[in-house]
Amino acid sequence: AQTVTQSQPEMSVQEAETVTLSCTYDTSESNYYLFWYKQPPSRQMILVIRQEAYKQQNATENRFSVNFQKAAKSFSLKISDSQLGDTAMYFCAFWTGETSGSRLTFGEGTQLTVNP
Amino acid sequence: EAQVTQNPRYLITVTGKKLTVTCSQNMNHEYMSWYRQDPGLGLRQIYYSMNVEVTDKGDVPEGYKVSRKEKRNFPLILESPSPNQTSLYFCASSFRNEQFFGPGTRLTVL
Repeated sequence: AQTVTQSQPEMSVQEAETVTLSCTYDTSESNYYLFWYKQPPSRQMILVIRQEAYKQQNATENRFSVNFQKAAKSFSLKISDSQLGDTAMYFCAFWTGETSGSRLTFGEGTQLTVNP
Repeated sequence: EAQVTQNPRYLITVTGKKLTVTCSQNMNHEYMSWYRQDPGLGLRQIYYSMNVEVTDKGDVPEGYKVSRKEKRNFPLILESPSPNQTSLYFCASSFRNEQFFGPGTRLTVL
């Protein structure tokens, strides 16, 4: 069974600084996708970034980037130049394909607070 | 606009009173899922459907039912809700590795 672990329930950062959220996962699959989702107070689930396991290059989306370490099964999210609007719950998630019902397996979440 | 809609967005009910949360998508996706979100547990899949009339259990199916009579709709049914089903519920439709989430339904069972 796949598992995803986020060991930091809460984090805080000062505006304009950089913060890294940690995520580890466990799987026996060789190909899969990893995601970071953002959930602001509106509760909407917003895709932040996506990484395919076969791609060695780390994904980036503007101020968001990942450090994907496949051998270590680690997938951390770095947020640069943090903004007040980045305050949200962040979920790491894992997807292995449609044979398992197209299920996303989520971590427990990390509540990030950006302070002015 | 491509979207997944859920209704109601908020619901407070009492133990044992049957309820249905509706979910509809306009993207012609075959796959649809229901998740529940609880503090410290993230989101967990309740049920999923691979197409019309094809449904299967996810990780936490106890106390829930679903149906898929039309491709666009995937309602979640609680026949006899209990307080431990108080949660935030999300419907999602997906195409390959991309998931589209509804806005969520906050359910409180007293």
